[in-house]
Amino acid sequence: GAVVSQHPSRVICKSGTSVKIECRSLDFQATTMFWYRQFPKQSLMLMATSNEGSKATYEQGVEKDKFLINHASLTLSTLTVTSAHPEDSSFYICSARDPLGVYEQYFGPGTRLTVT
Amino acid sequence: AQKITQTQPGMFVQEKEAVTLDCTYDTSDPSYGLFWYKQPSSGEMIFLIYQGSYDQQNATEGRYSLNFQKARKSANLVISASQLGDSAMYFCAMREGGSGGSNYKLTFGKGTLLTVNP
Repeated sequence: GAVVSQHPSRVICKSGTSVKIECRSLDFQATTMFWYRQFPKQSLMLMATSNEGSKATYEQGVEKDKFLINHASLTLSTLTVTSAHPEDSSFYICSARDPLGVYEQYFGPGTRLTVT
Repeated sequence: AQKITQTQPGMFVQEKEAVTLDCTYDTSDPSYGLFWYKQPSSGEMIFLIYQGSYDQQNATEGRYSLNFQKARKSANLVISASQLGDSAMYFCAMREGGSGGSNYKLTFGKGTLLTVNP
């Protein structure tokens, strides 16, 4: 089946620094990727939809200057949390759409970000 | 109004018994898709089952079945013969619009934490 990877799986950074999270589709070309955020014991909230070669579409309330998304190729999307603060600590999950796949979206294993 | 409602924050079931996890949805789009995902403590989202709005039969995947009642806008997940490994968070999600369309966004419910007791 289709595999989506995320790197890193865990990251700890200091307040004020930026951190980049990568999402890769390993065995298919993903024209569309999604970024979700999940706080402890809560649901997944869609942050943005990224399409290869174009600007990401952010959901209402998500700061586009803070959460920079780049989908430079059909297999890679990146989320950069700029000037991170403790309230940005969360579990970030990406998913990728395989146009030829059965399950529509394939999820990565997630990245746990802790900002100290 | 919430688009996906899961009213059971937590559920307990005895090993080998069946359990039903509730999900109701709200949409005015005639074409939509309903999904169930399992999220163990590791955090990965595991796809379980899918039901399209035009599907005539309830979806089944091994021990998982979806009780789709379109008029009631409910899509309950039934897990038969529960196993200890089924203990996890379960999310119901909806995609509005047809699968051939350009919008593949998923809206998730708040989830139900299932605990299987030995």
